[in-house]
Amino acid sequence: DTEVTQTPKHLVMGMTNKKSLKCEQHMGHRAMYWYKQKAKKPPELMFVYSYEKLSINESVPSRFSPECPNSSLLNLHLHALQPEDSALYLCASSSSPAGGSYNEQFFGPGTRLTVL
Amino acid sequence: KNEVEQSPQNLTAQEGEFITINCSYSVGISALHWLQQHPGGGIVSLFMLSSGKKKHGRLIATINIQEKHSSLHITASHPRDSAVYICAGTSQAGTALIFGKGTTLSVSS
Repeated sequence: DTEVTQTPKHLVMGMTNKKSLKCEQHMGHRAMYWYKQKAKKPPELMFVYSYEKLSINESVPSRFSPECPNSSLLNLHLHALQPEDSALYLCASSSSPAGGSYNEQFFGPGTRLTVL
Repeated sequence: KNEVEQSPQNLTAQEGEFITINCSYSVGISALHWLQQHPGGGIVSLFMLSSGKKKHGRLIATINIQEKHSSLHITASHPRDSAVYICAGTSQAGTALIFGKGTTLSVSS
């Protein structure tokens, strides 16, 4: 299995809702990532998990709360979002959290989030 | 500061043409990734390079470490190649990808 799966594919939520995005990989990868992508822009890194521990938080607002329950799963909990948070949320994984040539990242298909 | 610059921003071509997209990067980046994203879709990793040249089907990626420059070539382009192509780098120390702004390729038949 060489893919990263994400659910749901699409999500519409109100500003008072609580929802979660889910990401799963079964490649034995030890680094997992959340990216946010606005239309016609490159992805922006949000969080990096390395060996199930949060290693990078790119100053993301607390209304986004990541969780890595085990080495295969990565969740992103959403609460009290704003309309400007509407975007494509991409999950990725890589075999090692090391940098450079060890870090080929495999991306999921993304969750298209709309906040009303 | 690690940076990745990509050109051109937009590219149109006729089916069958040879396509080249260029990427230059700063000191500190030790591996270069080429990614493809179709409209509304997720990202697919095409290549990761730290030296030399890689080929997969009609796609060829090259990197010149001395000049800090990489190119993605598409031979015999096809409308299904229409997508955004993104160059991204990783440093030896960091795990995060540093993205270029992407090249939007449109191939017409």
